[in-house]
Amino acid sequence: ILNVEQSPQSLHVQEGDSTNFTCSFPSSNFYALHWYRWETAKSPEALFVMTLNGDEKKKGRISATLNTKEGYSYLYIKGSQPEDSATYLCAFNNAGNMLTFGGGTRLMVKP
Amino acid sequence: EPEVTQTPSHQVTQMGQEVILRCVPISNHLYFYWYRQILGQKVEFLVSFYNNEISEKSEIFDDQFSVERPDGSNFTLKIRSTKLEDSAMYFCASSERLRGSFYNEQFFGPGTRLTVL
Repeated sequence: ILNVEQSPQSLHVQEGDSTNFTCSFPSSNFYALHWYRWETAKSPEALFVMTLNGDEKKKGRISATLNTKEGYSYLYIKGSQPEDSATYLCAFNNAGNMLTFGGGTRLMVKP
Repeated sequence: EPEVTQTPSHQVTQMGQEVILRCVPISNHLYFYWYRQILGQKVEFLVSFYNNEISEKSEIFDDQFSVERPDGSNFTLKIRSTKLEDSAMYFCASSERLRGSFYNEQFFGPGTRLTVL
């Protein structure tokens, strides 16, 4: 059984704060690490797919880093806005196409 | 922008009844998936489907479950005799086949909430 863990489970920040959260995953048989942003009643939205150790990807104020040797990825949000409030999911991909998800980090940004 | 759609958004059924959950994947995608999330738990993989056959399935996907692509656009998940523990949000996803890639970015639908009474 693959173990993918995310921390913290939930996070409350003020508008303008920068924040980050962690995804840990098995360091063996690594193919890809996916980050999704999921707002209630909407489709989970793909943010990043990361494949190489040391990868760093950025989309606007959101960025992510990847360490496959130690089995972790960080997601950073710079200057959080209320519209960033969502659950952020990471998913680990080893052989095949099956994604193994973490439990998510629920972010709430207060105006 | 193309998107994965799912119907219905919410399905309520009696224990023992059959349900069919429907999905329309993105039109040029060739891989299709079902996942589910029981309330309070992680999203779990059920099955992947490619070239009109199951390519991977999890332990959850037992004989009660089946998938089908009945025409060129729909992808369905059937649960033959629902149990209380089948209550969950069911997500459909699809991906392209990327030549030379070990992974396929998966695009998710908004989910169908299944409630079994």
